[in-house]
Amino acid sequence: SAVISQKPSRDICQRGTSLTIQCQVDSQVTMMFWYRQQPGQSLTLIATANQGSEATYESGFVIDKFPISRPNLTFSTLTVSNMSPEDSSIYLCSSGTDTGELFFGEGSRLTVL
Amino acid sequence: GEDVEQSLFLSVREGDSSVINCTYTDSSSTYLYWYKQEPGAGLQLLTYIFSNMDMKQDQRLTVLLNKKDKHLSLRIADTQTGDSAIYFCAALHGSGNTGKLIFGQGTTLQVKP
Repeated sequence: SAVISQKPSRDICQRGTSLTIQCQVDSQVTMMFWYRQQPGQSLTLIATANQGSEATYESGFVIDKFPISRPNLTFSTLTVSNMSPEDSSIYLCSSGTDTGELFFGEGSRLTVL
Repeated sequence: GEDVEQSLFLSVREGDSSVINCTYTDSSSTYLYWYKQEPGAGLQLLTYIFSNMDMKQDQRLTVLLNKKDKHLSLRIADTQTGDSAIYFCAALHGSGNTGKLIFGQGTTLQVKP
């Protein structure tokens, strides 16, 4: 299994500011994924973070709004830029093993005022 | 596009069995997953099944997969009040570590004492 740690666990931010969420995996992994869970909703993939190359974004998500870094095989960051109240969500980091397991961090709960 | 559907709510008595159902549209999904989310927490991987299997059992959990009908179910035996949570079904779109998860809306399981 993989243990995935995220920081911060929660934050309250002002409109127009940016916040960077960190994700640390306890082992080296090829792919890391960032998901968003809006209040009362299911999860939606934002992007796949590739080590050594640009992240791959899903439809509806753009790099300017959600820049991602992946400096090594155990760490990634997601920045939520120029935040608005609509960005209030839980942001979750995910990664998996070669046997098909996909694990999630505890999530970063973001409230934008 | 790919879709995963679940019923939204299930209520059972403590000690009974719970069965949560899920349907998916992507016939190429190689793995299917069940996650549990308790209030204020992240997603806990409960179990997953490879698409060439039709059943997987892990202690109180039994997963049944009908690939022909694209139907997945999770049975929880001897349901306890601690099993009260939201259960998400997810299908892997794509293969292995390069794929993304398509999530259902989540089924809220209420366990009455």
